[in-house]
Amino acid sequence: GENVEQHPSTLSVQEGDSAVIKCTYSDSASNYFPWYKQELGKGPQLIIDIRSNVGEKKDQRIAVTLNKTAKHFSLHITETQPEDSAVYFCAARKYNFNKFYFGSGTKLNVKP
Amino acid sequence: DTGVSQDPRHKITKRGQNVTFRCDPISEHNRLYWYRQTLGQGPEFLTYFQNEAQLEKSRLLSDRFSAERPKGSFSTLEIQRTEQGDSAMYLCASSPTTGPFYGYTFGSGTRLTVV
Repeated sequence: GENVEQHPSTLSVQEGDSAVIKCTYSDSASNYFPWYKQELGKGPQLIIDIRSNVGEKKDQRIAVTLNKTAKHFSLHITETQPEDSAVYFCAARKYNFNKFYFGSGTKLNVKP
Repeated sequence: DTGVSQDPRHKITKRGQNVTFRCDPISEHNRLYWYRQTLGQGPEFLTYFQNEAQLEKSRLLSDRFSAERPKGSFSTLEIQRTEQGDSAMYLCASSPTTGPFYGYTFGSGTRLTVV
């Protein structure tokens, strides 16, 4: 099956700085890569996703990049705010498969 | 639409007892998933329904675990003879069938503690 690795496990940044979280995947057939944000006591919430035919996608302060050759994708958060503090998970899935493989999560702490 | 609802939010049970969790997906979503999340880890797939049919089960889902979705709407996950290793957050998610590129909508989960 697929193996998704995520780094770093914890990330602390100053408010206003940028944060980058990286994931690698093992199965070259994976073609859809969502990112989820999980706040304490809540379920994961989809924040952005990218398909394998796209190299980069941006939504306001959040962007995701994908390098299919290297099999890695990254989440970039610019101008971080305290409310960005949460655990972020990357995930990967193959076309026509129904389950996602998740990374182990990154706890982001944005210090005011 | 209030999203995916899970009940209860928290459950403390003694080892050996049976527990049942409920999930109500988004009404127009006909795919429903159960995942398990242990502390410090990402969610792990347990099982998946399309309408009332259970189409895939993980090896993580031992014989003590059973899931149903009787009318293709809500789903239940039952754990029999609970063990301390079953302590985790049980997440339900739903998604539409149209299009190959879609993420899930997760519920807030049921946190199970087996003492």
